[in-house]
Amino acid sequence: GAGVSQSPSNKVTEKGKDVELRCDPISGHTALYWYRQRLGQGLEFLIYFQGNSAPDKSGLPSDRFSAERTGESVSTLTIQRTQQEDSAVYLCASSTTSGGSYEQYFGPGTRLTVT
Amino acid sequence: QQQVKQSPQSLIVQKGGISIINCAYENTAFDYFPWYQQFPGKGPALLIAIRPDVSEKKEGRFTISFNKSAKQFSLHIMDSQPGDSATYFCAASFAGNEKLTFGTGTRLTIIP
Repeated sequence: GAGVSQSPSNKVTEKGKDVELRCDPISGHTALYWYRQRLGQGLEFLIYFQGNSAPDKSGLPSDRFSAERTGESVSTLTIQRTQQEDSAVYLCASSTTSGGSYEQYFGPGTRLTVT
Repeated sequence: QQQVKQSPQSLIVQKGGISIINCAYENTAFDYFPWYQQFPGKGPALLIAIRPDVSEKKEGRFTISFNKSAKQFSLHIMDSQPGDSATYFCAASFAGNEKLTFGTGTRLTIIP
């Protein structure tokens, strides 16, 4: 079946502009995660949605970052007033978390460049 | 606070050799330890994972060794092949909060 998809694949924006990144998880996956990967570094957790529970926002670096999820489907990550340090690849992952499975399936990411 | 430390940062291994990547963690509540493989321009993909109730798990050429008392785990790639050239990330999470804490990654290059 289809994997996790993300759009756009690349985004170049000017400092101070707002951007919106989209994630379509695997159908039926109740959990959805956003991570950030800076060049040459590991992945940093940003936010986690699980079903109808309140999201875990503990990884969001500032109040310029926010995310929403509609039910158990699409999620959008919004970055307001972008800064150059926001340049990174933003990765979305989804998982079922049923049957003790922890496997997270990642999308290809959105490469954000702030000029 | 870096809760998962990974080494080395880069590794070059000859074809047919054994590639070894190490990780150490701090949070004793972690109970799930996956390794992810990432090729350029792609998202990470799960390679193999282990729970702390076993000391070793093997899948094909890939083995995780886990040392609970030392809070360390490692990935061994036997008979390394050029197609294994990628960046490898260790990670950890715990039940009830499945967000992954990642290591900083190891860029593995297999040379002929």
